[in-house]
Amino acid sequence: GAVVSQHPSRVICKSGTSVKIECRSLDFQATTMFWYRQFPKQSLMLMATSNEGSKATYEQGVEKDKFLINHASLTLSTLTVTSAHPEDSSFYICSARGLRGSYEQYFGPGTRLTVT
Amino acid sequence: SQQGEEDPQALSIQEGENATMNCSYKTSINNLQWYRQNSGRGLVHLILIRSNEREKHSGRLRVTLDTSKKSSSLLITASRAADTASYFCALKTSYDKVIFGPGTSLSVIP
Repeated sequence: GAVVSQHPSRVICKSGTSVKIECRSLDFQATTMFWYRQFPKQSLMLMATSNEGSKATYEQGVEKDKFLINHASLTLSTLTVTSAHPEDSSFYICSARGLRGSYEQYFGPGTRLTVT
Repeated sequence: SQQGEEDPQALSIQEGENATMNCSYKTSINNLQWYRQNSGRGLVHLILIRSNEREKHSGRLRVTLDTSKKSSSLLITASRAADTASYFCALKTSYDKVIFGPGTSLSVIP
């Protein structure tokens, strides 16, 4: 089946630094990628939708200058958390959608970000 | 809100019993999916049901969808300790987004 990978799987960074998370579709071309965040014991909240080659669309309440999303190719999207603070500590999950499969959206394994 | 709402929020059952989780929603959907998530791990896709379908089966899983009531249920039969996890419904809306419900935390006691 379709595979989506994320790197890194875990990252710890200091307050004020920036962290980049990669999301790759390994065996299909992802026309659209989605970024979610999940706080402990809570559900996934959609942060933004990105289409290859265009600017991301952010959900209400998500700061676009803080969470920079780049979808430069059909197999790679990146989320950069800029000037990270402890409250940004969360589980970030990407999903990718192509034009195949009985269901259209495939989720990555997630990246756990801890900001100290 | 477009989010699904799930009940119960938490469910504890004995191994071998059936577990039923419900998801209600407010918006129109193209399809509804159920996912499982073990603590601290990624999502595992369980089953997708399209808006024109009423019931689907996959192994010990049975999903129903009632679009008139805007609700879906996930039934896990003959539960096992390994079924302990959080279960989420996810709605594919007409805006082409997938929105998750708050989830049900299932504990299966051996």
